[in-house]
Amino acid sequence: DTEVTQTPKHLVMGMTNKKSLKCEQHMGHRAMYWYKQKAKKPPELMFVYSYEKLSINESVPSRFSPECPNSSLLNLHLHALQPEDSALYLCASSFPGTRNNEQFFGPGTRLTVL
Amino acid sequence: DQQVKQNSPSLSVQEGRISILNCDYTNSMFDYFLWYKKYPAEGPTFLISISSIKDKNEDGRFTVFLNKSAKHLSLHIVPSQPGDSAVYFCAASGNSGYALNFGKGTSLLVTP
Repeated sequence: DTEVTQTPKHLVMGMTNKKSLKCEQHMGHRAMYWYKQKAKKPPELMFVYSYEKLSINESVPSRFSPECPNSSLLNLHLHALQPEDSALYLCASSFPGTRNNEQFFGPGTRLTVL
Repeated sequence: DQQVKQNSPSLSVQEGRISILNCDYTNSMFDYFLWYKKYPAEGPTFLISISSIKDKNEDGRFTVFLNKSAKHLSLHIVPSQPGDSAVYFCAASGNSGYALNFGKGTSLLVTP
């Protein structure tokens, strides 16, 4: 299995809603990532988990809350988002601790905040 | 500040010809470079990579060249095929080991 899966594919939420994005991989990768991508922009790193521990938080607002329940799963909990948070949210995974950092990406969740 | 730059937003090439996608970087600490391909509604797919100790890496129709002194790399696709039409992202990593710095992407269109 060489796939990173993400659910849901699309999500529309109001500014007062609480929702979660889910990511799963079964490649034995122990590093997992959340990226945010706006239209016509490159992916921007949000969070990195290494061996289920949060190792990088790129100054992301607290309305985004990541969680790594186990080595195969990564969640992103959303609360009180703003319309400017509308974007494609990409999950990726890789083997940690290697300089050859080939990250495998999921298809993304297209989030719209109304 | 963008540390990885792809200055051509789009490129159109005829089928069978060579596609050359360019990428420049500013951070001399970057030592590993990757190319990703992205179709609409899909996540980026890893294509090919190169370490800074090499100046060329080849995989089938895809070759990446690295010029460290110029802080420039390029992806050559020969021969180009219509299925290669996608957005290509250049990415770089350095001592942090984790963070990938992406360029803005180049949209390649291969016409029959």
